[in-house]
Amino acid sequence: EVQLVESGGGLVQPGGSLRLSCAASGFTFSSYWMSWVRQAPGKGLEWVANIKQDGSEKYYVDSVKGRFTISRDNAKNSLYLQMNSLRAEDTAVYYCARDQNGDYDDYWGQGTLVTVSS
Amino acid sequence: DIQMTQSPSTLSASVGDRVTITCRASQSISSWLAWYQQKPGKAPKLLIYKASSLESGVPSRFSGSGSGTEFTLTISSLQPDDFATYYCQQYNTYQTFGQGTKVEIK
Repeated sequence: EVQLVESGGGLVQPGGSLRLSCAASGFTFSSYWMSWVRQAPGKGLEWVANIKQDGSEKYYVDSVKGRFTISRDNAKNSLYLQMNSLRAEDTAVYYCARDQNGDYDDYWGQGTLVTVSS
Repeated sequence: DIQMTQSPSTLSASVGDRVTITCRASQSISSWLAWYQQKPGKAPKLLIYKASSLESGVPSRFSGSGSGTEFTLTISSLQPDDFATYYCQQYNTYQTFGQGTKVEIK
């Protein structure tokens, strides 16, 4: 059974940093693109970033470029999102998702809440 | 950037109704479109990919159609479990989601 479990969310002050993790199991992690998608409270879904199987390609939504970094450790079956210079508008539930060929997302984690507030 | 616009934003329907949700892309995305269902407090669930391909395990009452810039998600006979919010997503260039359509009980 495919499982994606996010962790690392919490309350952080504006300008602060946070690192999200996603532990994957039930599939060959190194064979799949992976994504982070977020959802602000009461709002819709927003794709944040994705990363190729070997980490050689990474793509970001414009609003996080230069502030967020997606990475992975295939030996640990883990996906990460390093978030720096956080803003109030980054407040959201962050979902880890498995991509099919860097396209649509066929499995999702349960999400981890990031709150940016003073 | 490719923008995705769904209509309507909210839809009131009854069990057994045929329901159609429309998604329009700001430029052609061929058939690179997926549909998701999301219930409150839960992660999205993939329903349809490549505009009309049904994800394994998804009931056949769900169907998708369209290509280019206009797409539809149809639920042939609405069931109690189908009251949720539905999102389209283009993956022609990166990924962009529509704003969502909430299907509520009439």
